[in-house]
Amino acid sequence: SQKIEQNSEALNIQEGKTATLTCNYTNYSPAHLQWYRQDPGRGPVFLLLIRENEKEKRKERLKVTFDTTLKQSLFHITASQPADSATYLCALDGGYQKVTFGTGTKLQVIP
Amino acid sequence: DTAVSQTPKYLVTQMGNDKSIKCEQNLGHDTMYWYKQDSKKFLKIMFSYNNKELIINETVPNRFSPKSPDKAHLNLHINSLELGDSAVYFCASSGRGGASYNEQFFGPGTRLTVL
Repeated sequence: SQKIEQNSEALNIQEGKTATLTCNYTNYSPAHLQWYRQDPGRGPVFLLLIRENEKEKRKERLKVTFDTTLKQSLFHITASQPADSATYLCALDGGYQKVTFGTGTKLQVIP
Repeated sequence: DTAVSQTPKYLVTQMGNDKSIKCEQNLGHDTMYWYKQDSKKFLKIMFSYNNKELIINETVPNRFSPKSPDKAHLNLHINSLELGDSAVYFCASSGRGGASYNEQFFGPGTRLTVL
């Protein structure tokens, strides 16, 4: 069966360091992969989308990589700030209006 | 100017009751969704509608009945509520149909508590 795993339930890092979050999937051939941020008591907010033929995508301090051979995406936040503390969700888009979400990683940036 | 809105934000009810959650989007999107987020924060798709037509039903019990009167609205009616229905329900919409990008715009969520 299809499975999407984000390898850490929680990740604590020091302010200013780079946070790296991992998303692994099995039995899936996504067309695109998306990353979302969710703050407590709120709905997820879309951050970045990377297509299957793209290796890397950047947006300000965010960088996403997508390796369809390893079936893995890495999500990096450089120069992390306490305001980056949130839960980050990866989501696989196989098309046809179906997006499947991973289990999420709760990031805590410590001042 | 809220993009995706849901009402109510909180819903506390007794087992066996019937309740509805309403969702509206003003983004002009063709596709709307209902997701359930459980206590472990796992977000799972329940239904998807495209232009008022049901296109995804993820083996949700038939006590859950979505209704889309027009493409800007997708309501969720739940009959005979059970304890296990307690969760946060999110409505979402996306702007493209078919095998294309499906960036999701989420509402604020409805926290349902069944006692």
